[in-house]
Amino acid sequence: GAGVSQTPSNKVTEKGKYVELRCDPISGHTALYWYRQSLGQGPEFLIYFQGTGAADDSGLPNDRFFAVRPEGSVSTLKIQRTERGDSAVYLCASSLGGVTEAFFGQGTRLTVV
Amino acid sequence: QKEVEQNSGPLSVPEGAIASLNCTYSDRGSQSFFWYRQYSGKSPELIMSIYSNGDKEDGRFTAQLNKASQYVSLLIRDSQPSDSATYLCAVGAGGGADGLTFGKGTHLIIQP
Repeated sequence: GAGVSQTPSNKVTEKGKYVELRCDPISGHTALYWYRQSLGQGPEFLIYFQGTGAADDSGLPNDRFFAVRPEGSVSTLKIQRTERGDSAVYLCASSLGGVTEAFFGQGTRLTVV
Repeated sequence: QKEVEQNSGPLSVPEGAIASLNCTYSDRGSQSFFWYRQYSGKSPELIMSIYSNGDKEDGRFTAQLNKASQYVSLLIRDSQPSDSATYLCAVGAGGGADGLTFGKGTHLIIQP
């Protein structure tokens, strides 16, 4: 596709439920990033993939968060036992890799009630 | 702990004037620097990247980098009301080994 695509755009879930957020990067981009943005804050780094492997997952807040990119393209961010504090906009970005420019998708707004 | 600091604003600038946005960062080893624009309710949009000391110009935008002072700035010339947005400064470590560290952003208002 022309840009980074994220689905769903909005997700409302009940506390304790499991959610999956999907990201389809720009074609040919080997690097994929997940960020989380709360109101009034800048995006907060969660995890970075180079190809299929997680090159840096130091931003994942705890073991309820997990992400995969099995074929080096689409990535899924998985959140178990959701908490109200997980409510935020989850942003995905992709780049050609290395020290290059990253482009964001439109984000998924997650609301945990 | 890597930190990126920006004045949250709002910064109010008259239409047609130069808007100056500033950012400082804590990690002296940082090698890549970016400015993103974010409209309310939208995702960040990349507007400038800079990797070496000095100025980089692209249309009405100029990014300035001073690694010795750990300082990055963005100048917007001939400011337009459509430039009203939050501007995010983002800093990356060398080698692209990890993601970007973002500041909280500066809210810019261009007054017609």
